[in-house]
Amino acid sequence: GAVVSQHPSWVICKSGTSVKIECRSLDFQATTMFWYRQFPKQSLMLMATSNEGSKATYEQGVEKDKFLINHASLTLSTLTVTSAHPEDSSFYICSASPWGQGHQPQHFGDGTRLSIL
Amino acid sequence: GEDVEQSLFLSVREGDSSVINCTYTDSSSTYLYWYKQEPGAGLQLLTYIFSNMDMKQDQRLTVLLNKKDKHLSLRIADTQTGDSAIYFCAETDTGTASKLTFGTGTRLQVTL
Repeated sequence: GAVVSQHPSWVICKSGTSVKIECRSLDFQATTMFWYRQFPKQSLMLMATSNEGSKATYEQGVEKDKFLINHASLTLSTLTVTSAHPEDSSFYICSASPWGQGHQPQHFGDGTRLSIL
Repeated sequence: GEDVEQSLFLSVREGDSSVINCTYTDSSSTYLYWYKQEPGAGLQLLTYIFSNMDMKQDQRLTVLLNKKDKHLSLRIADTQTGDSAIYFCAETDTGTASKLTFGTGTRLQVTL
């Protein structure tokens, strides 16, 4: 149980393109999802916390207008990288915690490798 | 802010035990986790421990927590080549719900 699906797994596009990444909880509902960015050989950096039905909470230094987050349902959050440039190339990973009583650890998707040419 | 540190690299022979260490600074940590990341993949939750526990065992995995020294370790018994990956420890505190702070990651290399 607690499967998180991320799509696409790999995308290559031209500079200036906007790219949408989907994060779905397949077998549970999640009121909160998280978006991370990971550079090669580095740890995960939290970008934002996505809350169902409300605005996302962004970490310091993350541009809200650059990384648009929508969490329209209890099983889907999307991250749109707007007008992507080569410096946005990275590995983006989402996570979600099942809604419920007691402690619910975060479960991660398989990540999306974004390459901007 | 919170800081979580790990050694960068560990090499062990197949069949031996591996011990991956983690230190953290947040004295209000409530849950501490171990995640595994294989190349090009997301993170797989291995196990987690509540801060009022000293030890947790799950099959080949043993987690030890020394809250006084803010030290967490993951022992993998009978390490296999399939255990080769990057291991991240992470913590969360009561003030930030389930928001995680990750360690720097330890690359485990298992040799024959």
